[in-house]
Amino acid sequence: GDSVTQMEGPVTLSEEAFLTINCTYTATGYPSLFWYVQYPGEGLQLLLKATKADDKGSNKGFEATYRKETTSFHLEKGSVQVSDSAVYFCALRARNSGNTPLVFGKGTRLSVIA
Amino acid sequence: KAGVTQTPRYLIKTRGQQVTLSCSPISGHRSVSWYQQTPGQGLQFLFEYFSETQRNKGNFPGRFSGRQFSNSRSEMNVSTLELGDSALYLCASSLGTSGGNEQYFGPGTRLTVT
Repeated sequence: GDSVTQMEGPVTLSEEAFLTINCTYTATGYPSLFWYVQYPGEGLQLLLKATKADDKGSNKGFEATYRKETTSFHLEKGSVQVSDSAVYFCALRARNSGNTPLVFGKGTRLSVIA
Repeated sequence: KAGVTQTPRYLIKTRGQQVTLSCSPISGHRSVSWYQQTPGQGLQFLFEYFSETQRNKGNFPGRFSGRQFSNSRSEMNVSTLELGDSALYLCASSLGTSGGNEQYFGPGTRLTVT
């Protein structure tokens, strides 16, 4: 079945450091790919998405590019802030006909220290 | 536009009891999905409803059930609660059920079973 693998956390960075969170997927066909973020005590917020190969999703300084050849969707940010501390989830949703749920990775906890 | 709302936010129940959780989707969204989040298993899909019909179901026992009303509001029910049902239950809404549709999450209901 479809699956998502993301790097184990936790990740601890100093403010203004560069962030990369790796995400690879296994799926039949060409799924839509998403990054969600979860702040403490809250639900998931959609951070960005990409629906086809070579698409780049971006939001709030975060970026991720849909790489079909490497089945990857790594999350990057050039300069993290303390307010970016949260758990980040990579997810896919198959685009075949019918009803397809989100399939999530295990999540990566990011802590940014001042 | 108001986001996804879930009630109650917190719930404490005793083993053997049953519980009903409620979700109101974003206005205009007709699809509602439910996910269970636990530290051990991560985010797991429970079921999805569209136009009052269950369209997809995850790998959970029959104690977990749900329904959707004509106004797209959804409820999920867990009967004969077990300690392992303690989790954050997240509801997500989207315009439709296909893979290109983004899912927007509510804040979740934190269920504790004692």
